[in-house]
Amino acid sequence: QVQLQESGPGLVKPSQTLSLTCAVSGGSISSGDYCWSWIRQHPGKGLEWIGYMHYTGSTYYNPSLKSQVSISVDTSKNQFSLNLRSVTAADTAVYYCARLVITVVNYYFDYWGPGTLVTVSS
Amino acid sequence: QLVLTQSPSASASLGASVKLTCTLSSGHNNYAIAWHQQQPEKGPRYLMKVNSDDRHTKGDGIPDRFSGSSSGAERYLTISSLQSEDEADYYCQTWGAGIVVFGGGTKLTVL
Repeated sequence: QVQLQESGPGLVKPSQTLSLTCAVSGGSISSGDYCWSWIRQHPGKGLEWIGYMHYTGSTYYNPSLKSQVSISVDTSKNQFSLNLRSVTAADTAVYYCARLVITVVNYYFDYWGPGTLVTVSS
Repeated sequence: QLVLTQSPSASASLGASVKLTCTLSSGHNNYAIAWHQQQPEKGPRYLMKVNSDDRHTKGDGIPDRFSGSSSGAERYLTISSLQSEDEADYYCQTWGAGIVVFGGGTKLTVL
């Protein structure tokens, strides 16, 4: 069974970079059938897609966050990472990593991490 | 523009059935969607994928009480024999032109 686990600081200061890592077990991050994604959820709100990356290097980002975000994959460690630059209090949220299945008719998330709360505060 | 619309809330009695709806924006009637469940204080869990031809593919361990269907621009999630643990937020999700889209979510209350 595939499992994903987020890790990283729970507190980040304004204007700094939020960095999170997602460790993948039970499956290879180098499989061509999947992309690896980050999603966040502001307190009491719905899900917001941040971006995803294929292990070959292709990336897609939410247009509203594109200037602030980068996602990278480390195949040697079977993990992927999120960097969110110049954060403000509006970036306080629970951050989830998830596996995105690539099919002919749709891309959809089939496994999610438990999530990690990141608070932006001085 | 690809948009998914969900009712903010729904309710049904313990043991009854409920049908949640996710509506695709105009021009996107043939898109498949996925349903995800988020129980209180937990991360989301994939329930199933629903195609435009009414076929659905469930995730690992999802009970038979959960089923999906499709009609035109609408995609449905039906939960039968409602249990207390079904009280959760339900999100639909799709993809188009590289972009992932979520619906706003439906909060299901089990009475």
